[in-house]
Amino acid sequence: ILNVEQSPQSLHVQEGDSTNFTCSFPSSNFYALHWYRWETAKSPEALFVMTLNGDEKKKGRISATLNTKEGYSYLYIKGSQPEDSATYLCAQYSGGSNYKLTFGKGTLLTVNP
Amino acid sequence: NAGVTQTPKFRILKIGQSMTLQCAQDMNHNYMYWYRQDPGMGLKLIYYSVGAGITDKGEVPNGYNVSRSTTEDFPLRLELAAPSQTSVYFCASSYSTGVGQPQHFGDGTRLSIL
Repeated sequence: ILNVEQSPQSLHVQEGDSTNFTCSFPSSNFYALHWYRWETAKSPEALFVMTLNGDEKKKGRISATLNTKEGYSYLYIKGSQPEDSATYLCAQYSGGSNYKLTFGKGTLLTVNP
Repeated sequence: NAGVTQTPKFRILKIGQSMTLQCAQDMNHNYMYWYRQDPGMGLKLIYYSVGAGITDKGEVPNGYNVSRSTTEDFPLRLELAAPSQTSVYFCASSYSTGVGQPQHFGDGTRLSIL
């Protein structure tokens, strides 16, 4: 994998469903993996920054795991609510002198009441 | 705290016009970034700065210029607007590099070049 890839591109679930989606990234030169939540007409908001293989982070009903050896991270939402509807972005930081985050294209989650 | 403030929120320009997108942060962050968001694409880094007086190119710098005279402000300049620069522009800042610190984003500037 040369780029940061997210799947699925979009997802529709019913209120109360639990869901998860994937961020895949190059496993070489890994420094950190960021997750952001981006609601329509607002700015991206940081959820997690993960650095260590096996990291697990949790914020309320949202949690994330990280596997740096195989190059993927999962984001889980338990008991989805309509207010969880947003685009979820992941971004990889590979270190180096350009301080660059490489963003995926996002997963658009729609939670139907 | 206001966080990261971008102005204007919307702007329509004619081809060849110039304008400056303003970005200010009040979190005393050293690192600041400009991104553009095109439909179906991830955020692309235009320019970034690691402190006052220091700027550098990102992935897509052509057609843009930046300056960083203070820690707080990081304006983005379009000198000769082209239709390809129609996009949504986001400014962001962070306390340090992406290893442990998230980026904080402004609300964006939607720019159309006609």
